[in-house]
Amino acid sequence: AQSVAQPEDQVNVAEGNPLTVKCTYSVSGNPYLFWYVQYPNRGLQFLLKYITGDNLVKGSYGFEAEFNKSQTSFHLKKPSALVSDSALYFCAVRDPPYSGAGSYQLTFGKGTKLSVIP
Amino acid sequence: NAGVTQTPKFRILKIGQSMTLQCTQDMNHNYMYWYRQDPGMGLKLIYYSVGAGITDKGEVPNGYNVSRSTTEDFPLRLELAAPSQTSVYFCASTGEGYNEQFFGPGTRLTVL
Repeated sequence: AQSVAQPEDQVNVAEGNPLTVKCTYSVSGNPYLFWYVQYPNRGLQFLLKYITGDNLVKGSYGFEAEFNKSQTSFHLKKPSALVSDSALYFCAVRDPPYSGAGSYQLTFGKGTKLSVIP
Repeated sequence: NAGVTQTPKFRILKIGQSMTLQCTQDMNHNYMYWYRQDPGMGLKLIYYSVGAGITDKGEVPNGYNVSRSTTEDFPLRLELAAPSQTSVYFCASTGEGYNEQFFGPGTRLTVL
């Protein structure tokens, strides 16, 4: 069974500093990996995804993520944090297309609350 | 496109009452999902559907039912509300050629 771990419940970073939100995964076969962001009292917004290709994936709002197969990680990064980046971030993994499930289900981590301090 | 819409936004139920959470998408997506979000627990899949007339249980289906009579609509039914069903409920959809899911704004349900 696939799983995702976000080892940090909360990450605090000063505005202007680089930020990293960690994610590790477990899945049989090649992973399909995603990051979502949730602002207070809102739904989840898609940030970026890794399907195949370059290990460094660029997404919305200046975020990027690095896929590391040997460490089974998919950490979210941003070179310079903004106060407006403060939100809840979720990592997710999807059924591989050849798994036979055919449901495109996502398995989510528990989320990491990012606080950017002015 | 409105994307994924959910109604109501908020609801308070008494124990034992029933209600239906509505979800509609206008992207012609075959795949639709219901999640619940509890603090510190992430999102848990309740039910999903891979097309009209086809539904299946997710990780936490007890106490809920769904139907999918059209491509657009995927309502979630609570028959006998319990305090344990106090949560925020999200509907999502995706289609062929996409990998990510698209989420609605959520319904905040409180059962007292």
